[in-house]
Amino acid sequence: GQNIDQPTEMTATEGAIVQINCTYQTSGFNGLFWYQQHAGEAPTFLSYNVLDGLEEKGRFSSFLSRSKGYSYLLLKELQMKDSASYLCAVRENNAGNMLTFGGGTRLMVKP
Amino acid sequence: DTEVTQTPKHLVMGMTNKKSLKCEQHMGHRAMYWYKQKAKKPPELMFVYSYEKLSINESVPSRFSPECPNSSLLNLHLHALQPEDSALYLCASSPIFRQVNSPLHFGNGTRLTVT
Repeated sequence: GQNIDQPTEMTATEGAIVQINCTYQTSGFNGLFWYQQHAGEAPTFLSYNVLDGLEEKGRFSSFLSRSKGYSYLLLKELQMKDSASYLCAVRENNAGNMLTFGGGTRLMVKP
Repeated sequence: DTEVTQTPKHLVMGMTNKKSLKCEQHMGHRAMYWYKQKAKKPPELMFVYSYEKLSINESVPSRFSPECPNSSLLNLHLHALQPEDSALYLCASSPIFRQVNSPLHFGNGTRLTVT
C-alpha cells in the first residue's frame, strides 16, 4: 500500500509563484503524475516524473526526488484560471502499476 | 475539450430506477476505467477493462454493473442505488493497462444524484 500526502488547501496571489508538495510512501515506485481538476470537471494531465529532477512545461514544472519520496508542482505567473484542485498520483509496481491518487490540493488564486 | 466523452452530464434517479452511464473514446486506447469521486475527495477506482475484458473490480456493490461492448465504449449500468451513491462518475482511458508512463485521459464525468 502507499500513503500520499498533499496539503488540503493553498491560497496564492495572481502573478505569484506557488509550490504544491506531495510526499508518498511506497514500495516499487514506478512514476508520479500531476493532474489539474477544476470543480465539476475532468482531471487533466499536467506532468509525469519517473526520474529525479525537474520537468518543465511552460508555466508549470514538476520535481521528483525518489530517495525522499517527494515531489512538487511549481506554478509560475499565477492566473485566476489556475484556481483548481491539483492531484498527485503515484504508480506502484507492487500494486500492479495501478495509479493511486492523493487527496488533492485546492488552490485558490486571489487578485 | 476532453477526448473521452461521457453521457449524460447530469442524472437524477430514484432508488428504484435503472439507468446507464455511457463513455466513448476514439483514441484507440485498450484500457478503460470507471472512477467514483465524491466532493473534495480524489477519484476512487471502481472497474478496469483491458481489451474489453474486466480486469479489476474494486469490490464494487453489484448495484453497479459495468459493460464494455467494444474497444471504444464503456457503460455503467445502475440499479437500486442508494443516496450515498450520489457522486461524480468519471470514465478514463489509457493506451494499455498498467503501462507505467501512460497518463489516464478522463472524461468530464456524469454528476449523479440519487433521490
